[in-house]
Order: sequence, then structure tokens, then C-alpha cells
Amino acid sequence: IAGITQAPTSQILAAGRRMTLRCTQDMRHNAMYWYRQDLGLGLRLIHYSNTAGTTGKGEVPDGYSVSRANTDDFPLTLASAVPSQTSVYFCASSREGTGADTGELFFGEGSRLTVL
Amino acid sequence: GENVEQHPSTLSVQEGDSAVIKCTYSDSASNYFPWYKQELGKRPQLIIDIRSNVGEKKDQRIAVTLNKTAKHFSLHITETQPEDSAVYFCAAKNLGGADGLTFGKGTHLIIQP
Repeated sequence: IAGITQAPTSQILAAGRRMTLRCTQDMRHNAMYWYRQDLGLGLRLIHYSNTAGTTGKGEVPDGYSVSRANTDDFPLTLASAVPSQTSVYFCASSREGTGADTGELFFGEGSRLTVL
Repeated sequence: GENVEQHPSTLSVQEGDSAVIKCTYSDSASNYFPWYKQELGKRPQLIIDIRSNVGEKKDQRIAVTLNKTAKHFSLHITETQPEDSAVYFCAAKNLGGADGLTFGKGTHLIIQP
């Protein structure tokens, strides 16, 4: 059982470059999320999607975009990376919106991004 | 939106002693309060959660209490062990709402041998 797969695991990127972080889940969860984790700031929501075809903005959406073309995939794109986007990015999913929603988030392993 | 405050940011306890981490939330519509544990270099994982229709929930050495009137909830770990060393996050949400969990900033729990 794979759960949630993120790629790449780690990446160093020059400022101004475009970068897409990939996230795929095989649990058929309706809802997916992108969080960034920074020391002392915890986990902050960037964007979310409650179902395929819909997305919403979280607490820190500026500089990021997402798409949800199907249930399984939820890529996060940095159009023009800046050093303040250096962070660990976690993709997550949940059963939100279904009768089986327990509230639990299932996280991927994370993607460590460094923008120089 | 929801705002979750978590204290302390760092907690050091002797092995075998108890540890308590406290959180407050702002949105009275929140009805789901989970706790996640994150070991170094790993993903956060759910360890216990509580819903607003109960005041306390226990699972072996860990327990969570909720005071809806005061809008605060706490994690209690008894008989701490070295493997309890990690960062712990509290979170809150309205299960009927559209967006994800709002997390506290985390508590680094250090178990001293």
C-alpha cells in the first residue's frame, strides 16, 4: 500500500526557476492538501482541493498554484521560485466529503526544497 | 479563520515523568481536535484525536482533554519513554467545513534519560 507519494524528495533550485512538486495518492480520498513546514511556524496550509476539479486557497497561497485534474494527483507549482519558499512541503489527503470522514489527514513523506 | 496557539514550544522532562502540552483555538465552530507526532525527518502521524461531544479520551499512556467553554485542549503523556521524543502538533477544524486542519506551531518534547 503506497498511500501518498511525493516527488522529488529533495531539490535545490535557483531563484526565478519554475518548479512543480508532484503528489499522488492511491486511497481514493476526496480531499487533498499542500502544507509547508518551517521551523517555529508549524504546518501552514497553502492550497487544498475538496474534490477533483475544485481547489481553494489556504493560509499562505501567494506564489503557489495547484490543479486537481483527477482524484489521485495534486501537483503544486512555484511559477518563479524565491528564497522565502525554501521549506519542507507536505502533501496530505483525507476522506473529507464522504460518509467515512474521520477527520484524519494522511501525509506524504515530504519534499525538501531549497531556493538559492 | 481558525487560529490555534500551542504551548510550550519546547518541553524537557525526565524519563518516567509526565508531559502536558496545551492548545487554545479561536473558532467556536471547530469540533475536531487531533494531535500529531512528528519524529525527526519523518511525516506527521496522528496519535490521538477528540471530538467536541466528549471531554476526555485515553489511549494507553496518552490522553487528551477538551474544554469547549474555554476553547482549550491538552495532550497528556504519562510514564514518558525515550521514544516519546518528537515534535507534537495540535490542530483544530470544523468537520463540516471545506478546508483542512489548522495546526499549532508545535512542541519539541525532549525526554531526558
